[in-house]
Amino acid sequence: AQTVTQSQPEMSVQEAETVTLSCTYDTSENNYYLFWYKQPPSRQMILVIRQEAYKQQNATENRFSVNFQKAAKSFSLKISDSQLGDTAMYFCAYNAGNMLTFGGGTRLMVKP
Amino acid sequence: GAGVSQSPRYKVTKRGQDVALRCDPISGHVSLYWYRQALGQGPEFLTYFNYEAQQDKSGLPNDRFSAERPEGSISTLTIQRTEQRDSAMYRCASSLWDNYEQYFGPGTRLTVT
Repeated sequence: AQTVTQSQPEMSVQEAETVTLSCTYDTSENNYYLFWYKQPPSRQMILVIRQEAYKQQNATENRFSVNFQKAAKSFSLKISDSQLGDTAMYFCAYNAGNMLTFGGGTRLMVKP
Repeated sequence: GAGVSQSPRYKVTKRGQDVALRCDPISGHVSLYWYRQALGQGPEFLTYFNYEAQQDKSGLPNDRFSAERPEGSISTLTIQRTEQRDSAMYRCASSLWDNYEQYFGPGTRLTVT
């Protein structure tokens, strides 16, 4: 069974600074997808970024980028120029065909 | 276009009652998923459909839980004889097809008293 681990339950960062959230996963599959979802206090689930395992190039979406290390089964999220609106729970998720398997989440607080 | 919608947004029910939770996916999305999320944890998979066919129900915790999507669009998750441990956020998501990104609805917060 696939597992996703987020080892940082809580993190904080000063506004405008950069922060990196960690995620590791375990799988025997070769083809899969990885995602980061954001859950603000409203408890919506918002897709932040997606990475296909067959792509070597790291995905970027504006201030959000990932560091995907397939051999190490690591998928970290970097948030640059942090904004107060980035305060949220962040979930790493894995998908090899249908269901998403989520990590336990990292609560990020952006401080003014 | 419209996103995934769920109703009701909040449901309070007494132990032993049946509840039906509704999900309306993004138009044109073939795949529809149900997840359950406890407070402070990530969502956990319950079941999913492609069109009207239930592809996987391995995450349904017991036979009190069932789901259907009879016309390949709107889906209903039904919990019979609710118990306090069923209290959680129930989330629906849809995607264009398997392996595509899933878009989540706002969830239904179920409280069983």
